[in-house]
Amino acid sequence: GNSVTQMEGPVTLSEEAFLTINCTYTATGYPSLFWYVQYPGEGLQLLLKATKADDKGSNKGFEATYRKETTSFHLEKGSVQVSDSAVYFCALAGSGGYQKVTFGIGTKLQVIP
Amino acid sequence: GAGVSQSPSNKVTEKGKDVELRCDPISGHTALYWYRQSLGQGLEFLIYFQGNSAPDKSGLPSDRFSAERTGGSVSTLTIQRTQQEDSAVYLCASSLTEYEQYFGPGTRLTVT
Repeated sequence: GNSVTQMEGPVTLSEEAFLTINCTYTATGYPSLFWYVQYPGEGLQLLLKATKADDKGSNKGFEATYRKETTSFHLEKGSVQVSDSAVYFCALAGSGGYQKVTFGIGTKLQVIP
Repeated sequence: GAGVSQSPSNKVTEKGKDVELRCDPISGHTALYWYRQSLGQGLEFLIYFQGNSAPDKSGLPSDRFSAERTGGSVSTLTIQRTQQEDSAVYLCASSLTEYEQYFGPGTRLTVT
């Protein structure tokens, strides 16, 4: 079945540091890949997505590139802010019609001033 | 426009009691999903609705869990004879497309 593996946190960074959160996946066919973010006290929000190989999803300064050869979708941001402190979930959905979304365990990011 | 809403936001119940959790999806979204988020774990898929039917119930952990959806809108997740291991945040999501799901704020269930 489908699965998502992401690095365990928590990750603590100073403001303006470079962020990478690793995510690898196992799936048959050509899944769509997502990063969701959960800010403290709020619900999950879609941060970015990529629906085919070599696509780059981007939003709010975050980027992730769909790498089929390495089955990876690592999240990056060049300069994090305190307001980026949240839990980040990597996820995938299988191809073809409805497919339930499979989530990773989430990585907590804390950015300190 | 209004997002996905869930009620109650918090629920404390005694072991053995039944609970009902409600989800109001975004108007017009045909697909509705329930997930469970336990401490230290990721999101666990429970059930998926397309309209009023549930083609995928594979994530329901036991027969104590059930869900229904009426009028292609509101959904209720019912847990009978609650156990302490049922304590978690229950999340509902809805979608119009097969890709992007919009999540509600969740219901935090605590079973004492």
